Amino acid sequence: GAVVSQHPSRVICKSGTSVKIECRSLDFQATTMFWYRQFPKQSLMLMATSNEGSKATYEQGVEKDKFLINHASLTLSTLTVTSAHPEDSSFYICSVNPETQYFGPGTRLLVL
Amino acid sequence: SQQGEEDPQALSIQEGENATMNCSYKTSINNLQWYRQNSGRGLVHLILIRSNEREKHSGRLRVTLDTSKKSSSLLITASRAADTASYFCATAFWSNYQLIWGAGTKLIIKP
Repeated sequence: GAVVSQHPSRVICKSGTSVKIECRSLDFQATTMFWYRQFPKQSLMLMATSNEGSKATYEQGVEKDKFLINHASLTLSTLTVTSAHPEDSSFYICSVNPETQYFGPGTRLLVL
Repeated sequence: SQQGEEDPQALSIQEGENATMNCSYKTSINNLQWYRQNSGRGLVHLILIRSNEREKHSGRLRVTLDTSKKSSSLLITASRAADTASYFCATAFWSNYQLIWGAGTKLIIKP
């Protein structure tokens, strides 16, 4: 199956700063990647679908200007949380989908 | 990574029939969740059942949880062609909020 990495694995930042999370597909060229967020002990919520070379598709209720997604190559998608606030603290997970879903290990974001 | 077991791996039934998928897990959990994935799309959350619940309904979906057997089932009643998708269970543990995923069941509804 596809191997997916994320960086950083955890980040702590001050309110108002921007945080970039990278998702890399190490052995599969992914035209599509998915970004999820998960609050403690809650469901995984799909945020957006990242499309290589074109704009991401955001789910209803997700602010595209808040969560900037860039999928510049077939192996890298980035999610930037702009002007982060404490309510953005969450676990962010990316995945690639050759035939089935392969998830990255996740990034834990804590905004102080 | 994906862990846990789901069966069957694939299920093909006629439209209108009921579809049942099972999920087993290995350790104590906080909750168990079921997701659907249409081909080429991201996962969509269907239903969450907590460890102190035994049964939950949502529309045509019925989920049961047996913590003594460490298993759950998802029943889709009166299936429709649009239910064709892969279905995944995922368990959440007490101490963190990472999900552990089953391998999924591919469901095909024949018109």
